Amino acid sequence: DVKVTQSSRYLVKRTGEKVFLECVQDMDHENMFWYRQDPGLGLRLIYFSYDVKMKEKGDIPEGYSVSREKKERFSLILESASTNQTSMYLCASSYIRNVQETQYFGPGTRLLVL
Amino acid sequence: ELKVEQNPLFLSMQEGKNYTIYCNYSTTSDRLYWYRQDPGKSLESLFVLLSNGAVKQEGRLMASLDTKARLSTLHITAAVHDLSATYFCAVGRGRRGSTLGRLYFGRGTQLTVWP
Repeated sequence: DVKVTQSSRYLVKRTGEKVFLECVQDMDHENMFWYRQDPGLGLRLIYFSYDVKMKEKGDIPEGYSVSREKKERFSLILESASTNQTSMYLCASSYIRNVQETQYFGPGTRLLVL
Repeated sequence: ELKVEQNPLFLSMQEGKNYTIYCNYSTTSDRLYWYRQDPGKSLESLFVLLSNGAVKQEGRLMASLDTKARLSTLHITAAVHDLSATYFCAVGRGRRGSTLGRLYFGRGTQLTVWP
């Protein structure tokens, strides 16, 4: 079974803090993704990575950065957290070995910025 | 940019009834996905549809794809309470390049099945 894990299920931070969200997958997937999910807005893609040290902006990259130093690990960084970054953050991964390319999701991190 | 629209966004239905969720997308795509999300949980893959006319069924859920109409449907037959969840469709496109794995998600349909 594919496993995507996220470092925290719940996180409370203060405005201005630097926040790291970690995601690890154990299936040697090439692609990894960070989404945020807000009520009524569905999933919005923040950043994704298709290889080590490679990254692509998604639809809402402002205020975020990412790091992928190892294939299995993809980190989302909030350089200076703000209250409007309070949200559920979902990590996903996928492989490109067959045409299906389904994404597998982690359990999510619910972040509250005070 | 590829846009994905689902409707309805909210669906309340009685057990035993049938209903369909629609997913329209704006540009050509060759693969479509349906996911389920239970409250407070993450997304679980339900179906992957890869060609025009594809139909897949799992229990009381059946998904179909019409690439010419850019439409997928998720049909619920004889709904039961356990189907209460949020359902997302997602569309991918392209075969090459760095954006190969990217998916575009609809806003989700929140389904509530009541006795």
